[in-house]
Amino acid sequence: GQNIDQPTEMTATEGAIVQINCTYQTSGFNGLFWYQQHAGEAPTFLSYNVLDGLEEKGRFSSFLSRSKGYSYLLLKELQMKDSASYLCAVRSFPVPGGSGAGSYQLTFGKGTKLSVIP
Amino acid sequence: GAVVSQHPSWVICKSGTSVKIECRSLDFQATTMFWYRQFPKQSLMLMATSNEGSKATYEQGVEKDKFLINHASLTLSTLTVTSAHPEDSSFYICSAPPIGVHNEQFFGPGTRLTVL
Repeated sequence: GQNIDQPTEMTATEGAIVQINCTYQTSGFNGLFWYQQHAGEAPTFLSYNVLDGLEEKGRFSSFLSRSKGYSYLLLKELQMKDSASYLCAVRSFPVPGGSGAGSYQLTFGKGTKLSVIP
Repeated sequence: GAVVSQHPSWVICKSGTSVKIECRSLDFQATTMFWYRQFPKQSLMLMATSNEGSKATYEQGVEKDKFLINHASLTLSTLTVTSAHPEDSSFYICSAPPIGVHNEQFFGPGTRLTVL
């Protein structure tokens, strides 16, 4: 099974930097994803890490440590529109003998609701 | 970027009726599509994996006879909620990884189902 843990809520100030942590326990780790989801909308892809280290993409960066089962999403120069839920999702290798679709299955954490205040 | 559409975007129905939700990949093909359900203030829970040309695989606790899935082509999967009840009211979201793409899934905009 998989267990993914992230803080429920966070608040940060416009223009600041915020780090959202995610810890996971899984067998057969095959990548970690971060998604942004505004209320009532579908998630949108932010980042993907499969090797240790930092991936930077504009104002957003994501870090992964496989040995520690740990990732974080870093948001810089926060804007009001960044207020949303941020979902950490883990992909595992498929079960042998299965359909193979498991290689794409994602297990989502409960999400961190970020509120950006003026 | 790849686009996934869902129809309808929202639906209200009476208890006991059936509702069909369509998920289409508009500019790519997908042999696999995923159906998720999200209750208010909860995360996405995988319900089932839709496989083109074969039976869907359901997650534990999801009734296959209640949530019928058909993946008739490489661009269309449908989820039918049969004999819907108020507790089935939720946000249903599909996603699809393009064939050969291993590091991203594209999500549809979701369908808000309300059962009265």
